[in-house]
Amino acid sequence: GAVVSQHPSWVICKSGTSVKIECRSLDFQATTMFWYRQFPKQSLMLMATSNEGSKATYEQGVEKDKFLINHASLTLSTLTVTSAHPEDSSFYICSAREGTSPNYGYTFGSGTRLTVV
Amino acid sequence: AQSVTQLDSQVPVFEEAPVELRCNYSSSVSVYLFWYVQYPNQGLQLLLKYLSGSTLVESINGFEAEFNKSQTSFHLRKPSVHISDTAEYFCAVSESGGFKTIFGAGTRLFVKA
Repeated sequence: GAVVSQHPSWVICKSGTSVKIECRSLDFQATTMFWYRQFPKQSLMLMATSNEGSKATYEQGVEKDKFLINHASLTLSTLTVTSAHPEDSSFYICSAREGTSPNYGYTFGSGTRLTVV
Repeated sequence: AQSVTQLDSQVPVFEEAPVELRCNYSSSVSVYLFWYVQYPNQGLQLLLKYLSGSTLVESINGFEAEFNKSQTSFHLRKPSVHISDTAEYFCAVSESGGFKTIFGAGTRLFVKA
């Protein structure tokens, strides 16, 4: 089945630094990927839709200058948290769908636990 | 716009007992419905989905969900749970033909021995 690899699985960084998270579709091409943020014991909040070869579409309230998304190829999307602060600490998850048919469902990465100290 | 409501934030249940996790949605258009499971510090895994056809859908590990259009519900059930079923379960909805998926707040299923 479709596999989405997310790296790193956890990262600790100092306040003010930037962190890059990668999301790769291993055995399929994904023109669209999604980035979510999940706070403890809460649901997933869609942050942005990443489109290959074009600008990402951000949800209302998400700072696009802070959460930079690049979807340079059909198998890779990256999320960069710029000038990270402790309030950015969270669990970040990406997802992609193989093909346009909803029969495939969405495949999720294993998530990245970001801790900003 | 769609929305998803999972009425129970936590459901404790004894091993081998039946369980139902409730999910209600609202939408003005046709929808697809999904249940995902999340184990600690992991991403989400698709458990089952309803796209069309039979309103009762099943997963390979004994879960089933029934789409009820009149009640706008998609409750998840299992007749006999195992300790290993302890996890967070998310109900999700997307518009038919749409791309964006909206998730419910999640229900933590806790199976006790």
